Formats: sequence, C-alpha cells, structure tokens
Amino acid sequence: GQNIDQPTEMTATEGAIVQINCTYQTSGFNGLFWYQQHAGEAPTFLSYNVLDGLEEKGRFSSFLSRSKGYSYLLLKELQMKDSASYLCAVKDSNYQLIWGAGTKLIIKP
Amino acid sequence: ETGVTQTPRHLVMGMTNKKSLKCEQHLGHNAMYWYKQSAKKPLELMFVYNFKEQTENNSVPSRFSPECPNSSHLFLHLHTLQPEDSALYLCASSQGLADSYEQYFGPGTRLTVT
Repeated sequence: GQNIDQPTEMTATEGAIVQINCTYQTSGFNGLFWYQQHAGEAPTFLSYNVLDGLEEKGRFSSFLSRSKGYSYLLLKELQMKDSASYLCAVKDSNYQLIWGAGTKLIIKP
Repeated sequence: ETGVTQTPRHLVMGMTNKKSLKCEQHLGHNAMYWYKQSAKKPLELMFVYNFKEQTENNSVPSRFSPECPNSSHLFLHLHTLQPEDSALYLCASSQGLADSYEQYFGPGTRLTVT
C-alpha cells in the first residue's frame, strides 16, 4: 500500500528553527509537495521537489532524498504566523497526490 | 484570494436530504478535484476531472455524485448521506495532471450530517 508518515505535532519557539520530516512509500514517484494549512483555511502550496537536494525559498527550505524515501521541510526564524499544519504529499505513478495526515506546528513566544 | 471559490461554506443536512456543493475556479486551469478532509486523517481524493472528463473515482460511494459541466465549474451532489460523511470537503484545481503542477484549494465546505 501507499503510505506517507509525518509527526502528528511539533512545538518550537519563536525565532528558532524547526525541521518537519516526511517519509513515504508510494507506487512510483513524480514529485513531493509541501503545503501549509492554517486552522479553518485552505491548504496553500509551499514547495515542490522532484530531484534530490535542497530547495530554498526565503525562510522555508525543502529537502528530498529519493533513495531513502525521505523529505524534510525546514522553517527558519520562526514567526507566530507559522503556527499551522504542514502537509506532505507525493505524486504517484498515476499522477495522483498521496497525502500525509499533516504535522501541526505550535509556535511559542 | 486563491482563485478557487466554494459554496456554501457551511452545510447541515439530514440523512434524507439532497444538496449540492459548488466549486468555481478563476485560474484557467484544466484539472479539478474533490477531496474529503476529516480530523487527523490524510486528505482523501474523491474525484478528478481533466478537461471536463472524469479520470479518477477513488471507490467513492454512489451517494456522492460529481458533475463537471465545464473546466471552471465542479459540483458534488449529495444524497442519503451518513453521519460519518461529516467532514470538510475541499475543491482544488491545477493547470494539468503532470508532475510539477501544484494544486490550488478552495476554502472548503464544512458538512455536518445529522
């Protein structure tokens, strides 16, 4: 079966750095996405990785290792507004997105 | 503003009612999706339409019936639902189905079945 694993909840301090991990087992691989979802709102796109390595976009970076079936989202200089759920999703061989259950990130002052 | 709108935002219905959810995208995309989101569970893909043609139906019960009259509009017709169908129903669109096309989501319809 297809499976995406990520931690249920994480807590971090304002101004700090946090890394949210995602491991996957899917039928084929056509890229990995990270989305942010604030409570009561729609998910919004953060990043896309299809090749191994690190993609940096401002305070957010995303890393992919296809051989390990592993990705992480790195958030730097955390702000209170970063409190949200972070969803990892993999596009499988049928180009369907397989989603993780999301990691709820709590930022404390 | 994500460019994808959904109505209604909240819906309470009895198990014998018939209702419809509406989604409209203003992004010129070709693919549209219905997802179900339940608390602490992964997003569940229900239906996919590409150029108005249904390409995926992920074993969704027949009490959910999608309709896609054109590339900008998507409906989900609901009939004889069960309490376990209570969830957030999200519509999304993307330029196409290929690798890198990200999906843009609407705000969702919070459905409660009583």
